[in-house]
Amino acid sequence: SVLTQSPGTLSLSPGERATLSCRASQSVSSSYLAWYQQKPGQAPRLLIYGASSRATGIPDRFSGSGSGTDFTLTISRLEPEDFAVYYCQQYGSSPPFGQGTRLEIK
Amino acid sequence: EVQLLESGGGLVQPGGSLRLSCAASGFTFSNYAMSWVRQAPGKGLEWVSAISGSGGNTHYADSVKGRFTISRENFKNMLYLQMNSLRAEDTAVFYCAKWPLADYWGQGTLVTVSS
Repeated sequence: SVLTQSPGTLSLSPGERATLSCRASQSVSSSYLAWYQQKPGQAPRLLIYGASSRATGIPDRFSGSGSGTDFTLTISRLEPEDFAVYYCQQYGSSPPFGQGTRLEIK
Repeated sequence: EVQLLESGGGLVQPGGSLRLSCAASGFTFSNYAMSWVRQAPGKGLEWVSAISGSGGNTHYADSVKGRFTISRENFKNMLYLQMNSLRAEDTAVFYCAKWPLADYWGQGTLVTVSS
């Protein structure tokens, strides 16, 4: 199953709501869908696992949802530190990562 | 505290070899599969290879199959990636990560393949 993320780039302002999409070419078990955040020069950081569970220390403005082939990462109110690249991952399948969505400041 | 620390990156000529290492601490290493994930400059994440906790099962991306070998020494809490027949397109930052849910990553080590 191939993961396709959209949009490729999302331009928003701090305080706005961000909605990132991850679509799978075949159905993915919700238990095995994760989201990562990567900032320049840093390793990726796990945000969401099991499609909707926040990882340890992740603020509650980050939420994940979806099932089957359509998954969404929502950031309710953007903070300046949220501008980064976001990847979805199906763990236990290959290729595991989507191509990423760049969230940039408008 | 979980830590993953990669080493072994550097500049190598096309056709050359390099061995990456990842030192793990803060968790029971042998209980977890591990993986190498790379990121070419300005590009996204690409999974490279994974190995089971025991080391008995290994998997490779098609792009590296037959050229790269993943291994581990559980008594040393070490993960390795032997890379042979390196190509320019292998230039990337290589991360080790717990797998398949990558809740911990190393800081990465840069591999540059160039003449």
